[in-house]
Amino acid sequence: GAVVSQHPSRVICKSGTSVKIECRSLDFQATTMFWYRQFPKQSLMLMATSNEGSKATYEQGVEKDKFLINHASLTLSTLTVTSAHPEDSSFYICSANRGSDTQYFGPGTRLTVL
Amino acid sequence: QQQVKQSPQSLIVQKGGIPIINCAYENTAFDYFPWYQQFPGKGPALLIAIRPDVSEKKEGRFTISFNKSAKQFSLHIMDSQPGDSATYFCAASIGGGADGLTFGKGTHLIIQP
Repeated sequence: GAVVSQHPSRVICKSGTSVKIECRSLDFQATTMFWYRQFPKQSLMLMATSNEGSKATYEQGVEKDKFLINHASLTLSTLTVTSAHPEDSSFYICSANRGSDTQYFGPGTRLTVL
Repeated sequence: QQQVKQSPQSLIVQKGGIPIINCAYENTAFDYFPWYQQFPGKGPALLIAIRPDVSEKKEGRFTISFNKSAKQFSLHIMDSQPGDSATYFCAASIGGGADGLTFGKGTHLIIQP
């Protein structure tokens, strides 16, 4: 199967700090990676789409200067939440597409900003 | 604007019953419709997906029915088990799944023993 990992699984930080979340496709090369956000008991909302070596495409309403995405290789994408505030507390989930229909999701990262 | 509407919000079914979850979409450009299962604190896992040129697809105990003219699709779970208790999301995308997914709001399913 296709495995996508995320690190860390949980992070707690103080308001104003930056947090980096890694997303890796472990056994395949991902042509595209996606970042979603999920608030408690709510649905997943697409934040951005990233392709290796190019700038990420952000969904309307998502601040690209606050949520920095780097897609350095075909197996790694990172999301950095800059100057995090309590309202950024959420479950961040990445997915990876290896060229077919299927998006494989990571286990998610729970971010809590104090 | 919610592009994928999912119902019911919650559902309780007895073991062995057939829960049915429905979704309706608005954007006719959608051409890929997956269903995901999510357990608390975990990422979604793909169950089954369908394209609009097929009216039904079955994989194991999971069946998708698709009605292109009505812009609706549904998930049926045969012989449901308590282990199927989870939140189920329908989704849709353009470009055959190569684009980001638009998710429904989810259905919290409980299978009672």
